Amino acid sequence: NAGVTQTPKFRVLKTGQSMTLLCAQDMNHEYMYWYRQDPGMGLRLIHYSVGEGTTAKGEVPDGYNVSRLKKQNFLLGLESAAPSQTSVYFCASSYEGRGTEAFFGQGTRLTVV
Amino acid sequence: AQSVTQPDIHITVSEGASLELRCNYSYGATPYLFWYVQSPGQGLQLLLKYFSGDTLVQGIKGFEAEFKRSQSSFNLRKPSVHWSDAAEYFCAVYSSASKIIFGSGTRLSIRP
Repeated sequence: NAGVTQTPKFRVLKTGQSMTLLCAQDMNHEYMYWYRQDPGMGLRLIHYSVGEGTTAKGEVPDGYNVSRLKKQNFLLGLESAAPSQTSVYFCASSYEGRGTEAFFGQGTRLTVV
Repeated sequence: AQSVTQPDIHITVSEGASLELRCNYSYGATPYLFWYVQSPGQGLQLLLKYFSGDTLVQGIKGFEAEFKRSQSSFNLRKPSVHWSDAAEYFCAVYSSASKIIFGSGTRLSIRP
């Protein structure tokens, strides 16, 4: 039972490069989220999705794009990476939004140099 | 706007001592509240949640939390901590816009 799987687990990018982080869940969850975690700031929501084909902006969406073409996958893209995007990124999913538990992936540690 | 405040950045307690981690929320309606734990290098795991009903909720690993509407608080407690409880703890609230909002976290260290 895989749950929420994030790939890659680690990545180093040069400023200006692009990349895509993949999140896959096998729990048939409707809702999916992308967070970034920075020291002293907790988890901040980047983008989220309430179902296949939908996306919405969170607290810190600038510099990121997302897509939810399939229910089980939620992709986070960085078109032109900046050092300020150095962070640990977490994907999460939940069965529905209101009050249900979110299940988290193990995180992706991204460094932009 | 909904928000969650965890006023303690870092707490150190002795093994076997009791623990209370503070959480205050800002939310207009009845909140859906959560406590998550993050061990080093790991993702987040749900400890417990409050939706309605009994204001004292029990969770995994011997943790409990009490919802106090009058104080807008949802503090996490444990009667006797173990060294394995050293981790970072996050309080969270489910907002009206289909989002889960997290506090900034409290890092717990255990003194032998």
